[in-house]
Amino acid sequence: DQQVKQNSPSLSVQEGRISILNCDYTNSMFDYFLWYKKYPAEGPTFLISISSIKDKNEDGRFTVFLNKSAKHLSLHIVPSQPGDSAVYFCAASGYNNNDMRFGAGTRLTVKP
Amino acid sequence: DVKVTQSSRYLVKRTGEKVFLECVQDMDHENMFWYRQDPGLGLRLIYFSYDVKMKEKGDIPEGYSVSREKKERFSLILESASTNQTSMYLCASSAAGTGAFGNTIYFGEGSWLTVV
Repeated sequence: DQQVKQNSPSLSVQEGRISILNCDYTNSMFDYFLWYKKYPAEGPTFLISISSIKDKNEDGRFTVFLNKSAKHLSLHIVPSQPGDSAVYFCAASGYNNNDMRFGAGTRLTVKP
Repeated sequence: DVKVTQSSRYLVKRTGEKVFLECVQDMDHENMFWYRQDPGLGLRLIYFSYDVKMKEKGDIPEGYSVSREKKERFSLILESASTNQTSMYLCASSAAGTGAFGNTIYFGEGSWLTVV
């Protein structure tokens, strides 16, 4: 039973446009939500996070939005760059990180 | 920078062999994790450890065991490798704090295991 779902396996956008990656979760006890980026043959790297007490967190070109009532979060990348092409994983955990769960990932391709 | 090092990047093993995957972190983190990544399934937690000699099962512990004799080292053991254990294995670590501090985990580069 996947508690974190990324329903779009892939997304393709043009350079300079906005990329929006979506994530849904089922466990209302999750307190922290994170996005990780993964290049081929490398481990995932932390990108941005948000706690359940916020609805938005911004870091440069990356913004994460959280809608707790809908159990939905999204990652916005503006403007998208070819170097952003990677697989993005959504993750969620409770108060302790022992129970962190990941989605299946979305492969983003940014075309020059 | 946090450094999580997995000793083997690529391994090919035969069915029935005992396989050891080693992981070392250099940030004095209390928590360490083993995940496997498979297409369409994302990252699934196999085992984690929150202290030396302590371990907890994750979502898919069957067919695996772990060992944590030293704080910086966490080993994943496949007692008798099978073809359905062909996958990418990722080790990770994190600090013991809660909230955003403890919830950011850092991954190694991964170990590609093929069981034939």
